[in-house]
Amino acid sequence: DAGVTQSPTHLIKTRGQQVTLRCSPKSGHDTVSWYQQALGQGPQFIFQYYEEEERQRGNFPDRFSGHQFPNYSSELNVNALLLGDSALYLCASSLSNSFWGGLAGELFFGEGSRLTVL
Amino acid sequence: EDQVTQSPEALRLQEGESSSLNCSYTVSGLRGLFWYRQDPGKGPEFLFTLYSAGEEKEKERLKATLTKKESFLHITAPKPEDSATYLCALTNFGNEKLTFGTGTRLTIIP
Repeated sequence: DAGVTQSPTHLIKTRGQQVTLRCSPKSGHDTVSWYQQALGQGPQFIFQYYEEEERQRGNFPDRFSGHQFPNYSSELNVNALLLGDSALYLCASSLSNSFWGGLAGELFFGEGSRLTVL
Repeated sequence: EDQVTQSPEALRLQEGESSSLNCSYTVSGLRGLFWYRQDPGKGPEFLFTLYSAGEEKEKERLKATLTKKESFLHITAPKPEDSATYLCALTNFGNEKLTFGTGTRLTIIP
């Protein structure tokens, strides 16, 4: 059973450029969330996608956008990169009723995409 | 706003030396309190979910407990392979996100 897969694993960009990160959720999961983790910090919620729509968004600027495809995979796009965008970007998948249906409610995380902005 | 504070920031133990990690929190209507383990350069790995005060869960050398203000992750007779950063997170009703603490970096010395 394949877990959450992310690509690329590492990438280097320069200020002002744009980046696209990709995520395939765990088999059977329909909800994808994206988190940003700066060095030495806990993950920070960017947004969540369900049924190809953004269901909730964290405190991130509009430069951060996303998309979910019919097969539940997802992309995270960041425009006009800043030095402060350097971080580990984590994708997490879950079932849509995990938080409400009395299930374990856990998120399954991928290995992350390490973005360095120079 | 929901808040999670973990202590200590870092902890070094001798192999076999038991200890506890603390997670204190403030939240409007706790839906779930989560513990994750994160190895360097990897994504967090789910360990436990706790839903109500008084609840306890165990897995191998780890036991998580929950009160109305805190959660503890107890580690009994740890081994070097238990070395990792342990993250605490929570969610509340009406919210789809997890709010994480900054983690405790645990090192077990052989």
